[in-house]
Amino acid sequence: DAGVTQSPTHLIKTRGQQVTLRCSPKSGHDTVSWYQQALGQGPQFIFQYYEEEERQRGNFPDRFSGHQFPNYSSELNVNALLLGDSALYLCASSLGQGRRKTQYFGPGTRLTVT
Amino acid sequence: GNSVTQMEGPVTLSEEAFLTINCTYTATGYPSLFWYVQYPGEGLQLLLKATKADDKGSNKGFEATYRKETTSFHLEKGSVQVSDSAVYFCALSERTSYDKVIFGPGTSLSVIP
Repeated sequence: DAGVTQSPTHLIKTRGQQVTLRCSPKSGHDTVSWYQQALGQGPQFIFQYYEEEERQRGNFPDRFSGHQFPNYSSELNVNALLLGDSALYLCASSLGQGRRKTQYFGPGTRLTVT
Repeated sequence: GNSVTQMEGPVTLSEEAFLTINCTYTATGYPSLFWYVQYPGEGLQLLLKATKADDKGSNKGFEATYRKETTSFHLEKGSVQVSDSAVYFCALSERTSYDKVIFGPGTSLSVIP
């Protein structure tokens, strides 16, 4: 049973560029959430996708956008990169929209903005 | 708003010592509570969870009890091993936003032989 997978593992970009990160959820899961984890801090919720729509959003600017595909995989796009966007980006998946779900996290994509 | 507070690290213990990492939360209603662990260079792994008051989550020798009266979810282990060295995150999932998990800042644990 494959867990949550993310690509690429590492990425280096320049300020002002755009980046796309990818996530495949755990088998059978239909909901994907994205988190940003700055060095030495806990993860911060960016947004969540279910049925190909953004369902919830954290306190992140519109430069952060996403997409979910019919196979439940997801992309995170960040435009006009800033140095402060350097972080570990985590994808998490879960099943359904009911109560008491548990999220399973991928290994993350380490983004460095120079 | 909802939040999670953890004891500051780093925490350094000798092998076989007793571990406690304190966690308190602020939330409306009845959140679910979690402990996640992050080993060096890896993503987050769910360690244990509790979904209602007085529930005890346990896994790999770690335990935590959901205490609503003190809004706490302290992590304990009776005898730590070197392999337990990692960063531990206390987290909650809001009752009305089940996919939005709010994390504490993390507590780094180093276990020395």
